[in-house]
Amino acid sequence: DTGVSQDPRHKITKRGQNVTFRCDPISEHNRLYWYRQTLGQGPEFLTYFQNEAQLEKSRLLSDRFSAERPKGSFSTLEIQRTEQGDSAMYLCASSPKEASGYEQYFGPGTRLTVT
Amino acid sequence: LAKTTQPISMDSYEGQEVNITCSHNNIATNDYITWYQQFPSQGPRFIIQGYKTKVTNEVASLFIPADRKSSTLSLPRVSLSDTAVYYCLVGDVYNTDKLIFGTGTRLQVFP
Repeated sequence: DTGVSQDPRHKITKRGQNVTFRCDPISEHNRLYWYRQTLGQGPEFLTYFQNEAQLEKSRLLSDRFSAERPKGSFSTLEIQRTEQGDSAMYLCASSPKEASGYEQYFGPGTRLTVT
Repeated sequence: LAKTTQPISMDSYEGQEVNITCSHNNIATNDYITWYQQFPSQGPRFIIQGYKTKVTNEVASLFIPADRKSSTLSLPRVSLSDTAVYYCLVGDVYNTDKLIFGTGTRLQVFP
C-alpha cells in the first residue's frame, strides 16, 4: 500500500511530556499538511510544507508545536510540554504537485491522549 | 474569506440518490470545490473535485452551476457504508486561509 502512513497510531502521555509524531507521505507528493481534529469537529489546519520548506503555520500552532520535513520526504510534528487540551487526533495529508484545489490524501491519524 | 455552508445532517435510505448542497457565495476565480468523506476514527478521504459544470467519477458526481456560488455532491444509490460525514471545501492550493473543513454534513443511511 502506498498511501500516507502515520506513526504511532495511538499515544498516551502524561501532561508535561514531549511527544513526536511521524508522517510518511505518498512518494512524489511534494506538499504535506498537518491537521488536528477533536471530537465532533472537522480537521483544523496546522501547518503546510512544500518540499522541505514550511510555508504556512496556523495561529493554532502555539510555540510548543514544531514541525519539520528535513529532506522533503517524511515529516515530524513535535509537541513540547503537552497539555490536556492537546488531546486530539493528529492527521497528516499529502498532495501531488499538479493539484490545483484542496485535493489531499490523508493518513489514518495519530490519536493523542494527554493524562 | 470564502465561507461554505452545508446542511448539518441528512438522512436517507439504502438505494436512494443523495444530494448534498454546499453554498459558497464568495468563491474566487482561482478556487476549486473539493469534497471529502470521513468515517469515525479515520482520516478524511478525497472524493471529488471540480471547477465548473459537472464532474463524475466512480464514486460520485459534482454539479457546479455557471455562477459557481454553490455545488452539489451527488451519491447514487447509497448503501449503509456511505454513512459518514461529508465536507465541502473551496479554495486553491496556494491559499491555506480557506482550508477550512467546518463540521460537515453528517449523512445517515438507513436500511
